[in-house]
Amino acid sequence: GQQLNQSPQSMFIQEGEDVSMNCTSSSIFNTWLWYKQDPGEGPVLLIALYKAGELTSNGRLTAQFGITRKDSFLNISASIPSDVGIYFCAGLIQGAQKLVFGQGTRLTINP
Amino acid sequence: KAGVTQTPRYLIKTRGQQVTLSCSPISGHRSVSWYQQTPGQGLQFLFEYFSETQRNKGNFPGRFSGRQFSNSRSEMNVSTLELGDSALYLCASKGTSSYNSPLHFGNGTRLTVT
Repeated sequence: GQQLNQSPQSMFIQEGEDVSMNCTSSSIFNTWLWYKQDPGEGPVLLIALYKAGELTSNGRLTAQFGITRKDSFLNISASIPSDVGIYFCAGLIQGAQKLVFGQGTRLTINP
Repeated sequence: KAGVTQTPRYLIKTRGQQVTLSCSPISGHRSVSWYQQTPGQGLQFLFEYFSETQRNKGNFPGRFSGRQFSNSRSEMNVSTLELGDSALYLCASKGTSSYNSPLHFGNGTRLTVT
């Protein structure tokens, strides 16, 4: 069954706006990863999080590992056209042996 | 360092045929995982190989199989193709045996079954 809920499913924003997306679950996670996928390519790792409460930045991107260990969010500040794509969260549930992926957030930017 | 390389990039097959996809991981990576990506189902885990042994398997029928060679290169085989097997097949490698190590993906093989 669905173990990760990623929202929103899609976003339509203006260039320069900030973006926020998140993933939630009823399970406890040990690891959260955020990926971006451009059309015709494979997902590319953006940020990896390993501790509850951890806040990590990568340029204009910031991600946090939720204190409850059941959620994570990704923020993008001052969006630019190349931010367009599909963003996926992925996580390792405590005791599990493989990552589970969210359904993705499709980001569209109007210039 | 070269990234994960998948060949071919595109394949068109007909129902009932079989297909073999190839993946070369990042140099030094011994773990290779395969995923199926479709618009409706997202990223679905197929299997993971580590040091030539299958260490994890997803919920796919036995028509889907894989193997890993001593140089860590991996192949995935799908027999008796069905229309629903049309998808982007992604291979990913990681540098450690840890379950929480990030996966590094290739650009995939786009399989179309007609």
